[in-house]
Amino acid sequence: ETGVTQTPRHLVMGMTNKKSLKCEQHLGHNAMYWYKQSAKKPLELMFVYNFKEQTENNSVPSRFSPECPNSSHLFLHLHTLQPEDSALYLCASSQEQSNEKLFFGSGTQLSVL
Amino acid sequence: GESVGLHLPTLSVQEGDNSIINCAYSNSASDYFIWYKQESGKGPQFIIDIRSNMDKRQGQRVTVLLNKTVKHLSLQIAATQPGDSAVYFCAESRKWHQAGTALIFGKGTTLSVSS
Repeated sequence: ETGVTQTPRHLVMGMTNKKSLKCEQHLGHNAMYWYKQSAKKPLELMFVYNFKEQTENNSVPSRFSPECPNSSHLFLHLHTLQPEDSALYLCASSQEQSNEKLFFGSGTQLSVL
Repeated sequence: GESVGLHLPTLSVQEGDNSIINCAYSNSASDYFIWYKQESGKGPQFIIDIRSNMDKRQGQRVTVLLNKTVKHLSLQIAATQPGDSAVYFCAESRKWHQAGTALIFGKGTTLSVSS
């Protein structure tokens, strides 16, 4: 148990659906992250929140929308996804956003049909 | 472009042998490096980290070596056990977009330990 909890563990959705991934950390950390893990590719950093402030990332399509209502919770809202968005989505947290180890959740395995 | 990479996608060893997993990085400004282990169905777990002012750091059965001259990072696992079978990732802390730094990961090496 890393102290980072992600729900749901598995999600199947159609391309027209709207769904949300949830992450909660019980470590008192100030930075939270979303990573995407696709088969045979490195973990890709999608979004970073530091003290609830998002660091801009223009390389992620707008069909992914993050939300960080407080330092313990992080959401990833999904809408009109594509089949190539199927992947494991990992949430992580760290004490601060600077040269520190991350604590990962177990991820949400997403399949887009 | 700059990247964090690993030399080999797979490594097979016998139980009790020592394992060495390698990683090459290209950003000479990176000053923090870390190794993670990921078992099937789980998120990555922290193994060991090292800052650029060191060239070696030891943990329990694991050692990380940093060679800044050739921008090379390695993870050594002593007396490898079947429970060490997993995918191993190296990562470097690098400036990311508009502000701050973030961990950027390499592709991963799958370690298989046979008994």
